[in-house]
Amino acid sequence: DGGITQSPKYLFRKEGQNVTLSCEQNLNHDAMYWYRQDPGQGLRLIYYSQIVNDFQKGDIAEGYSVSREKKESFPLTVTSAQKNPTAFYLCASGEETQYFGPGTRLLVL
Amino acid sequence: GDSVTQMEGPVTLSEEAFLTINCTYTATGYPSLFWYVQYPGEGLQLLLKATKADDKGSNKGFEATYRKETTSFHLEKGSVQVSDSAVYFCALSDRRGYQKVTFGTGTKLQVIP
Repeated sequence: DGGITQSPKYLFRKEGQNVTLSCEQNLNHDAMYWYRQDPGQGLRLIYYSQIVNDFQKGDIAEGYSVSREKKESFPLTVTSAQKNPTAFYLCASGEETQYFGPGTRLLVL
Repeated sequence: GDSVTQMEGPVTLSEEAFLTINCTYTATGYPSLFWYVQYPGEGLQLLLKATKADDKGSNKGFEATYRKETTSFHLEKGSVQVSDSAVYFCALSDRRGYQKVTFGTGTKLQVIP
């Protein structure tokens, strides 16, 4: 079964802590993306990667970091510099058409 | 830059009613257009798409036609069900560079029995 997996489903962050969200795809897509969704709002692009070992900042990259060491994987780290991290985080992959994972909800303790 | 405007929700309909969710866009060039659906607590699922003018995308009883002259891509369904209750997002892909996708803010649909 091809698709995108994200883990964990829920993640709790303490103040000053960095946390990493996992995103894995087996669709053989070169391009992968991270979005942030806040209640009642649309999606905002955090980072994207068009190919392994390359990634670019999106519209709201401050306080986040990524890596792309493997084609299948695109983890997102929410750093302590992100002062308002509570949101629903969505990973996607694909070129003209983007396909989404189930999301990770990040909450602050 | 590119933009997508959707009708504001929530939209509340009775079961078997006709659904229209309006979507208009602004883009340079010839974008591809999409409708995604998001059920509570889940990611976005691709519902349908159209890649050129006058194309009609369809899936699960939903339809949308790419209207270049009115820059619109309205979503329609002839008879909604309670299970269609979700948030619907209109989006466009500009097909330039890295295929940036611009999303609308979403329209919440609630179908009551």
